[in-house]
Amino acid sequence: EAGVTQSPTHLIKTRGQQATLRCSPISGHTSVYWYQQALGLGLQFLLWYDEGEERNRGNFPPRFSGRQFPNYSSELNVNALELEDSALYLCASSHGTTGETQYFGPGTRLLVL
Amino acid sequence: GENVEQHPSTLSVQEGDSAVIKCTYSDSASNYFPWYKQELGKGPQLIIDIRSNVGEKKDQRIAVTLNKTAKHFSLHITETQPEDSAVYFCAASTSGTYKYIFGTGTRLKVLA
Repeated sequence: EAGVTQSPTHLIKTRGQQATLRCSPISGHTSVYWYQQALGLGLQFLLWYDEGEERNRGNFPPRFSGRQFPNYSSELNVNALELEDSALYLCASSHGTTGETQYFGPGTRLLVL
Repeated sequence: GENVEQHPSTLSVQEGDSAVIKCTYSDSASNYFPWYKQELGKGPQLIIDIRSNVGEKKDQRIAVTLNKTAKHFSLHITETQPEDSAVYFCAASTSGTYKYIFGTGTRLKVLA
């Protein structure tokens, strides 16, 4: 069974630009979660999508947004990039809203110059 | 608010020794506790988990214990090997919710 996949693996942008990150969940999983992991820090919850709807978001500004497609894959968009947005962005998936176990992808490393 | 404290932040052990990482959670409704291992440049990988109706769970060299009364849970790694070197994260969650509260991570170094 294929795991969670993310693309691209690395992304370099300049301040003020927009970044788009993509995630494909494990087959059969309907929930997708996005986390930000800044260097040397823990995982900060960003967004949760289930069945195409945004269910909740963490304490991040509105320039962090995303969506979930009918095939349950997801996209994270970060607008007006700032230097402090440089981080590893992790996507996880689980079996619907009551599937406790989240399985993580390898992440997209975003560098903002 | 909800919080998970994790200690120690760094841990160095000699190969073959045991390693113990401890977490304390604040939300008494938490009933699911996964542990993740994150190697350099990779995403976190689930290594073991425990539910609140169980006090201990073991999988080969890895075990997790849970003390619901004290709101503590711990990861135990026996006979450590160099490939156990990584950052380990604990998390607490409640059934029926999406929410994982992660600890701040423990960097484990196993010295050969």
